[in-house]
Amino acid sequence: DAGITQSPRHKVTETGTPVTLRCHQTENHRYMYWYRQDPGHGLRLIHYSYGVKDTDKGEVSDGYSVSRSKTEDFLLTLESATSSQTSVYFCAIATRGTSGRVNTGELFFGEGSRLTVL
Amino acid sequence: GENVEQHPSTLSVQEGDSAVIKCTYSDSASNYFPWYKQELGKGPQLIIDIRSNVGEKKDQRIAVTLNKTAKHFSLHITETQPEDSAVYFCAASLNDMRFGAGTRLTVKP
Repeated sequence: DAGITQSPRHKVTETGTPVTLRCHQTENHRYMYWYRQDPGHGLRLIHYSYGVKDTDKGEVSDGYSVSRSKTEDFLLTLESATSSQTSVYFCAIATRGTSGRVNTGELFFGEGSRLTVL
Repeated sequence: GENVEQHPSTLSVQEGDSAVIKCTYSDSASNYFPWYKQELGKGPQLIIDIRSNVGEKKDQRIAVTLNKTAKHFSLHITETQPEDSAVYFCAASLNDMRFGAGTRLTVKP
């Protein structure tokens, strides 16, 4: 257990509304990631963070923003949710073997946040 | 960027049989290849990984093989058990980590 908590675990919202997902870790790891999981696509990186206030884009960052004001919290925001953002979102942390988005060590994933945009 | 293809998308085996899942990658410079297992309602969990300087790695009933020339790597599970039923993801990493689309493995008792 890498001490990762995601909230909310489930959310249903309407198109055009803002949504924020929270990832909280208890072990002060530097690198944190947000992925989305969709059938047929596996896991795709949205954004990642390499320290407080240090973030960068991933493979599918359009329509998403992130913030990290504290080591332990990494927030993912959908400014205006669309139906194409219906997905399961996973937060992950890396404990070693990481330099930026490059990861050559184990990722520890949270239990996911299922978002439905109607 | 890196592109990872994973096959098959679904696999059903009898308990005790072996299961093999295959992945190919596009960037010959990729140097780290992990495999993750995801149980229903959970996040993925690393089960085994291999680096480009190694051809094979085993951990009890699980093994991974890497063929750098052909740019493919495989997960082998022997003596499968019902608790091996899950979705398995491969990934390849160099400047970015890319995941395969996943394989849903069902082990029938």
